Amino acid sequence: AQTIHQWPVAEIKAVGSPLSLGCTIKGKSSPNLYWYWQATGGTLQQLFYSITVGQVESVVQLNLSASRPKDDQFILSTEKLLLSHSGFYLCAWSEDWGGDAEQFFGPGTRLTVL
Amino acid sequence: GDSVTQTEGLVTLTEGLPVMLNCTYQTIYSNPFLFWYVQHLNESPRLLLKSFTDNKRTEHQGFHATLHKSSSSFHLQKSSAQLSDSALYYCALSHYGSSGNKLIFGIGTLLSVKP
Repeated sequence: AQTIHQWPVAEIKAVGSPLSLGCTIKGKSSPNLYWYWQATGGTLQQLFYSITVGQVESVVQLNLSASRPKDDQFILSTEKLLLSHSGFYLCAWSEDWGGDAEQFFGPGTRLTVL
Repeated sequence: GDSVTQTEGLVTLTEGLPVMLNCTYQTIYSNPFLFWYVQHLNESPRLLLKSFTDNKRTEHQGFHATLHKSSSSFHLQKSSAQLSDSALYYCALSHYGSSGNKLIFGIGTLLSVKP
């Protein structure tokens, strides 16, 4: 069975500090990977997606970057956090590629920027 | 651009009463895919049901929804609410050829079922 892990579970960071959030999928080779973000009181927004190792596409510009260093790993990062980066970050994967593909979500990381 | 509207932020029901959560959408594409994702407390969102066929009822785990392209709606229903149905429900939209398999989510409806 496939499992998806995100780390850390929660993070409190200062404005201007760097950030790195991670996501790992086990039990599935070559998954399609996604990062979503949810501001407090807001809806889920897709930030990035990746079809293969080393290839990441940006969907929304939020002064964040993403990388896929390994087939099963997806990293979200920034060198300087903004207050507006606070929220809930979800990693997701899908087996299929297409608008009707079911996406499976990880447990999420709660980020508070002070 | 594409958008999804869920008009109720919170729906509170007594156990045993019917459930109806509203979802309408806007898109320029004639063949949208509509989804309902459910997120229980301290869990990840998971797919509840999906549809892309006009006027066809889709059912899963006691819930059902019908995509009506004429009214751009995909309301979620259940005949009798259970305590375990308490959760956050997201309606989401995609379409064939969507860049990055992008899901457009509504803001979510929190369903609270009381005894």
